[in-house]
Amino acid sequence: GAVVSQHPSWVICKSGTSVKIECRSLDFQATTMFWYRQFPKQSLMLMATSNEGSKATYEQGVEKDKFLINHASLTLSTLTVTSAHPEDSSFYICSARDLAGGQGTTDTQYFGPGTRLTVL
Amino acid sequence: GENVEQHPSTLSVQEGDSAVIKCTYSDSASNYFPWYKQELGKRPQLIIDIRSNVGEKKDQRIAVTLNKTAKHFSLHITETQPEDSAVYFCAAPFNTDKLIFGTGTRLQVFP
Repeated sequence: GAVVSQHPSWVICKSGTSVKIECRSLDFQATTMFWYRQFPKQSLMLMATSNEGSKATYEQGVEKDKFLINHASLTLSTLTVTSAHPEDSSFYICSARDLAGGQGTTDTQYFGPGTRLTVL
Repeated sequence: GENVEQHPSTLSVQEGDSAVIKCTYSDSASNYFPWYKQELGKRPQLIIDIRSNVGEKKDQRIAVTLNKTAKHFSLHITETQPEDSAVYFCAAPFNTDKLIFGTGTRLQVFP
């Protein structure tokens, strides 16, 4: 099956610093990747849709200048949390869709293992 | 608007009993409905999905039913086991692209 990796799996940083999270599709190409944020005991909230070679589409209420997304290749998208603050502490999860999937597979999203960010 | 409602928020059953989780979506154009299982601190895992051209799909102890007219879809787990304990999320696509997730159901199966 399709595998998505994320790095790092966890990170602790000081308030005011920036943190970059990588999302990779390991055995398939993904023109579209998605970034979610999940607070404890809550659902996955979509932050943005990352499209290869173009600007990301952000959900309402998500600051594009704070959460920088770059999708430079068909297998890699990065999320940079700039000037992180304690309220940004959360579980960040990416997902990717398989570009080459046949009928019935292009809707399927494969999730990365998540990155737990703690901002002190 | 973009909305997927999920009920109940918590569900406790005895091992061997059945569990049912229901979701309602708002976008009538949605045609793909996945269910994910998430264990604590881990990624969501796709357990079953259904497309709008069928009303029911079954995979061993798990089944999903879809009522497009009412915009409802449900997850059914039979013969529950303690390892079924997790948080379950339904999801539906909006604008044929992004997935919007339900609020989640915490299922506890007691031995």
